[in-house]
Amino acid sequence: GDSVTQMEGPVTLSEEACLTINCTYTATGYPSLFWYVQYPGEGLQLLLKATKADDKGSNKGFEATYRKETTSFHLEKGSVQVSDSAVYFCALGGAGYSTLTFGKGTMLLVSP
Amino acid sequence: NAGVTQTPKFRVLKTGQSMTLLCAQDMNHEYMYWYRQDPGMGLRLIHYSVGEGTTAKGEVPDGYNVSRLKKQNFLLGLESAAPSQTSVYFCASRLDRPNEQFFGPGTRLTVL
Repeated sequence: GDSVTQMEGPVTLSEEACLTINCTYTATGYPSLFWYVQYPGEGLQLLLKATKADDKGSNKGFEATYRKETTSFHLEKGSVQVSDSAVYFCALGGAGYSTLTFGKGTMLLVSP
Repeated sequence: NAGVTQTPKFRVLKTGQSMTLLCAQDMNHEYMYWYRQDPGMGLRLIHYSVGEGTTAKGEVPDGYNVSRLKKQNFLLGLESAAPSQTSVYFCASRLDRPNEQFFGPGTRLTVL
């Protein structure tokens, strides 16, 4: 079946450091890929998405590229802020999928 | 637009008690979902619905029942609560296309 694997956290960074959170997937079809973010005490929000191979999703300085050859969708940001501290979830789904398959989430902690 | 709302926000139950969690969405979405979130386990799908009057089992359906009598509402019931059902419960909804899910703020349930 479909699955998503994310790097375990927490990831601890200083403000303005570079961020990469790894995400790899296995899927039988041609899914879309998503990154969701969960701030403390809140529900999940869509951060970015990509619907086909080589697409790049971007939002709020975060980027991720859909790499079919490596089955990856790594989340990157060039300079993190304290306000980026949250849990990040990678997920796959898309047209023809009734549900999303989520990774276990990666906590990011950014200190001043 | 209120988006996805959940009632109640917090609840404490005793083992064996029953309760219903209400999810409501005002976006005319077809699909609705119930998840539970536990430390180290990520999000796990309990039940979902692809339209009014339909329901389907997710990854962890045991001990829960659902109903979707109206398109805008999705109810999650616990007939006889157990301590293992202590969790944070999230509801989500989506259109058919695009298929990103919109999440509610969550319900924190404690079963003593």
